[in-house]
Amino acid sequence: AQTVTQSQPEMSVQEAETVTLSCTYDTSESNYYLFWYKQPPSRQMILVIRQEAYKQQNATENRFSVNFQKAAKSFSLKISDSQLGDTAMYFCAFMKRPGNQFYFGTGTSLTVIP
Amino acid sequence: NAGVTQTPKFQVLKTGQSMTLQCAQDMNHEYMSWYRQDPGMGLRLIHYSVGAGITDQGEVPNGYNVSRSTTEDFPLRLLSAAPSQTSVYFCASSVHSELGAAFFGQGTRLTVV
Repeated sequence: AQTVTQSQPEMSVQEAETVTLSCTYDTSESNYYLFWYKQPPSRQMILVIRQEAYKQQNATENRFSVNFQKAAKSFSLKISDSQLGDTAMYFCAFMKRPGNQFYFGTGTSLTVIP
Repeated sequence: NAGVTQTPKFQVLKTGQSMTLQCAQDMNHEYMSWYRQDPGMGLRLIHYSVGAGITDQGEVPNGYNVSRSTTEDFPLRLLSAAPSQTSVYFCASSVHSELGAAFFGQGTRLTVV
């Protein structure tokens, strides 16, 4: 079984500052992928960033980057230069084959303060 | 440019009623799946499909049926709705590429009274 843990239910950050959201996971799979999704009040699930577990290099996507520690089973998300539009619920997700099965954490509600 | 389309967006059912949540994708994705989102619990996998005619159970399959007769459609059936099935339901599709990110529909808010 796979479990994904997000230990920060709520966080806030000042506009233009940097914030890090934590995520840990547990699995016996050797081949898997990790994702961060954003869910604004519109309810739409939006892909933020993704990481292949077999790659050591941390993924980056503009202001978003991850710190992937495979041995520790940790996958944190760093948001730089926070913007008001970053206010949303953020979900960490683990994906395994077959069928691209996703397992989600309970989410972190991020508020960017002007 | 529709992506993943779910209908209806909102639904109220009485206990014991049946209904089908529709999901269609126009991206020719092999994989489709259904999730439910409850407060404080994130999204949980109900059923998934790796292609037409092939489905399998996820974390929380009880009370739900699925079938996949075409690549495009993946309906979710509630045969006898219960209040515990009150939730927001998401359909997703993805491909068997190296990264396989899921594309989600806009969700269906279902209330069972």
